[in-house]
Amino acid sequence: KAGVTQTPRYLIKTRGQQVTLSCSPISGHRSVSWYQQTPGQGLQFLFEYFSETQRNKGNFPGRFSGRQFSNSRSEMNVSTLELGDSALYLCASSLGGDSYQPQHFGDGTRLSIL
Amino acid sequence: KQEVTQIPAALSVPEGENLVLNCSFTDSAIYNLQWFRQDPGKGLTSLLLIQSSQREQTSGRLNASLDKSSGRSTLYIAASQPGDSATYLCAVSTGANNLFFGTGTRLTVIP
Repeated sequence: KAGVTQTPRYLIKTRGQQVTLSCSPISGHRSVSWYQQTPGQGLQFLFEYFSETQRNKGNFPGRFSGRQFSNSRSEMNVSTLELGDSALYLCASSLGGDSYQPQHFGDGTRLSIL
Repeated sequence: KQEVTQIPAALSVPEGENLVLNCSFTDSAIYNLQWFRQDPGKGLTSLLLIQSSQREQTSGRLNASLDKSSGRSTLYIAASQPGDSATYLCAVSTGANNLFFGTGTRLTVIP
């Protein structure tokens, strides 16, 4: 069974640009969550999608947005990029429905802002 | 707000030694606690998941315990190997698949 797939693995952007990251969950998983990992703040929750609806949201500005498609694949968009957005962005999937299932993570997209 | 702390931040042990990693959280209203490992430049690999109603879980050389009332969990690694070298993270779920992570313990097992 294929794991969680994130593309691209690496991205370099400049300030003010926007970026879209993609996540394909494990087959059959309907919940996709996004996290940001930085050396200073550690891992922080961005948002979670379940059945194409945002079910939960962390404490990030509106420049961070996401969506989920009918096949459960998810995209995350960051607009007007800032230097502080440089991070490893991780996607996790789970069966969804309740909070008792383990989350499975992809290898992440490393975003660097110049 | 839920806060998760992991002690120590880094740990070096000789191969074959048994070790314990600690995790504490401030709000005991959790659904579950999960232990992960992260290798450099990689994502997270799930090791063990303990539901809030459970006391411990075991997988091979790993044993995780949970004391929800005191807000503590431990990860016990038996007979450590160089391949166990990684950063270990604990995370608690407070609902809706929102995980709160600790800052991790960087483990080095010396051959």
